[in-house]
Amino acid sequence: DGGITQSPKYLFRKEGQNVTLSCEQNLNHDAMYWYRQDPGQGLRLIYYSQIVNDFQKGDIAEGYSVSREKKESFPLTVTSAQKNPTAFYLCASSNSISGNTIYFGEGSWLTVV
Amino acid sequence: QKEVEQNSGPLSVPEGAIASLNCTYSDRGSQSFFWYRQYSGKSPELIMSIYSNGDKEDGRFTAQLNKASQYVSLLIRDSQPSDSATYLCAVNRGFGNEKLTFGTGTRLTIIP
Repeated sequence: DGGITQSPKYLFRKEGQNVTLSCEQNLNHDAMYWYRQDPGQGLRLIYYSQIVNDFQKGDIAEGYSVSREKKESFPLTVTSAQKNPTAFYLCASSNSISGNTIYFGEGSWLTVV
Repeated sequence: QKEVEQNSGPLSVPEGAIASLNCTYSDRGSQSFFWYRQYSGKSPELIMSIYSNGDKEDGRFTAQLNKASQYVSLLIRDSQPSDSATYLCAVNRGFGNEKLTFGTGTRLTIIP
């Protein structure tokens, strides 16, 4: 089945640790995105990538890093520099960056303990 | 003023009635508009997209866009308990998805 797979679904992190969230898509989409959602809040864009080996900061990139070595994969690392990392993280993709509809993965819950 | 505003609700509607969800946006240059449904603890799923003024119907859902008044709405006819969810309005301020801005969502509850 075509889709966007995120893992792990639930992750607990100790303060000071880096963690990496995986995102894989088999939709052959060019563009991929990472969003963060806090309770009662809208989605906020962390990073996006239009093509392999290129990515751009979104609205809240501080404390996060990404890579795009393959078209299908766009992992997100939440670093220890991110002060409030507890949130629901959503990976998404679209055919292109130019206004095509965005589709979401199932999300990853990150909790700092 | 927030870029995309929605009434957070909760909005309670009897089963079988019409649910009306509203969204206003601040940027007159916005090009495209989307409604996503999000069940608790799940990811958003696209319900409707609309790009030009007027109504767009898809089954029980109708999206309405009025660019002059800067609002977009979603009507759900014959509401079902399965429609109970949070509905996110998203507005694209330009031609790139990096400009897609989400509202905080309206929580809808359908009462059997």
